[in-house]
Amino acid sequence: QSVLTQPPSVSGAPGQRVTISCTGSSSNIGAGYVVNWYQQLPGTAPRLLIFDNTNRPSGVPDRFSGSQSGTSASLAITGLRAEDEADYYCQSYDSSLSYSGVFGGGTKVTVL
Amino acid sequence: EVQLVQSGVEVKKPGESLKISCKGSGYKFDTYWIAWVRQMPGKGLEWMGIIYPGDSDTRYSPSFQGQVTISADKSTSTAYLQWNGLMASDTATYYCARPVNTGSFDGFDIWGRGTMVIVSS
Repeated sequence: QSVLTQPPSVSGAPGQRVTISCTGSSSNIGAGYVVNWYQQLPGTAPRLLIFDNTNRPSGVPDRFSGSQSGTSASLAITGLRAEDEADYYCQSYDSSLSYSGVFGGGTKVTVL
Repeated sequence: EVQLVQSGVEVKKPGESLKISCKGSGYKFDTYWIAWVRQMPGKGLEWMGIIYPGDSDTRYSPSFQGQVTISADKSTSTAYLQWNGLMASDTATYYCARPVNTGSFDGFDIWGRGTMVIVSS
């Protein structure tokens, strides 16, 4: 069971907006530790989409955006495209686990 | 080009030892943390631990403390992940990753391609 909770799957039609939630607690997201988001295509290494809650690395389309409030964070994908079909993971740090990094369980995004 | 190059596929028997590597290039290796992440077949990402090659400050996830050893050699710009007694449950792909900014724990934007470890009798 992951410390950060994500929905197992979300889906949307091309062009639509989908959001992925990441629910934590007072020892991780609620304590102010940053949330990062990764995309993983089958058979490949994860790719950083969002870091420090809301920042996009260079090269990541502005269709991807992150937000954080209280003990939760969200990743939004607007203008959904077929190539967005992948697994998405949130990641933060947890003071109850010796300040170790923690990942969410992952969310499979399906483009209908 | 900034990159992390990981060692190749390993096939081992239960009880054997193993050390896999992650070599950084294109940047000042000893000023960025390196994290290790496990992904078991068909499963999600798991944080194992992180090391700062500059002074070998190492922090383990409680789930992996005592199960693996993380080390680094700044003279060769290489980080390592080591087991002293492999189990079938160690079968997984292991990734190393580097954060966006020097000296920080923010998002990891540079990833190795992963090392697949297969443990089977």
